[in-house]
Amino acid sequence: GQNIDQPTEMTATEGAIVQINCTYQTSGFNGLFWYQQHAGEAPTFLSYNVLDGLEEKGRFSSFLSRSKGYSYLLLKELQMKDSASYLCAVRDSNYQLIWGAGTKLIIKP
Amino acid sequence: IAGITQAPTSQILAAGRRMTLRCTQDMRHNAMYWYRQDLGLGLRLIHYSNTAGTTGKGEVPDGYSVSRANTDDFPLTLASAVPSQTSVYFCASSEAGQGSNEQFFGPGTRLTVL
Repeated sequence: GQNIDQPTEMTATEGAIVQINCTYQTSGFNGLFWYQQHAGEAPTFLSYNVLDGLEEKGRFSSFLSRSKGYSYLLLKELQMKDSASYLCAVRDSNYQLIWGAGTKLIIKP
Repeated sequence: IAGITQAPTSQILAAGRRMTLRCTQDMRHNAMYWYRQDLGLGLRLIHYSNTAGTTGKGEVPDGYSVSRANTDDFPLTLASAVPSQTSVYFCASSEAGQGSNEQFFGPGTRLTVL
């Protein structure tokens, strides 16, 4: 079966750095996505990786290792507004998105 | 500029009733999707449409139907609601089909079936 694993919840301090991991086992691979979802709101796109390596976008970076079936989202200089759930999704060989259950990130002052 | 709108925002429905969730986008995106989101589970694709006039089944299509008569609208119908269909439903769209790199989500409909 297809599976996306990410931690259920993480806590970090304002101003710090946090890394949210995602491991996947899917039928084929056509890209990995990270979305942010604030409580009660819709998911919004953060990043897309299809090749190995690090993609940096401001305070957020996303890393991919296809051989290890592994990705992480790195958030720097954490702000209170970064409190949200972070969803990892993989596009499989049928171009269907397989979603993880999300990681709830709690930021403390 | 609305993006994607969904209606209703929330609904409480008696089991056995028929219900249509509405979704409209003004971005002229070709592809549209319906997901359900349940606590502790990832988003699950119910149905999708790569272009007006075509639809396809996702991971959990049973009990749901869709139509795509035009580019903008993609309604989701529950023919006879059951309590297991209690969920938050998100409509999404993307420029092209499932090869697109970003999906845009509507605000969601919270549905409770009693």
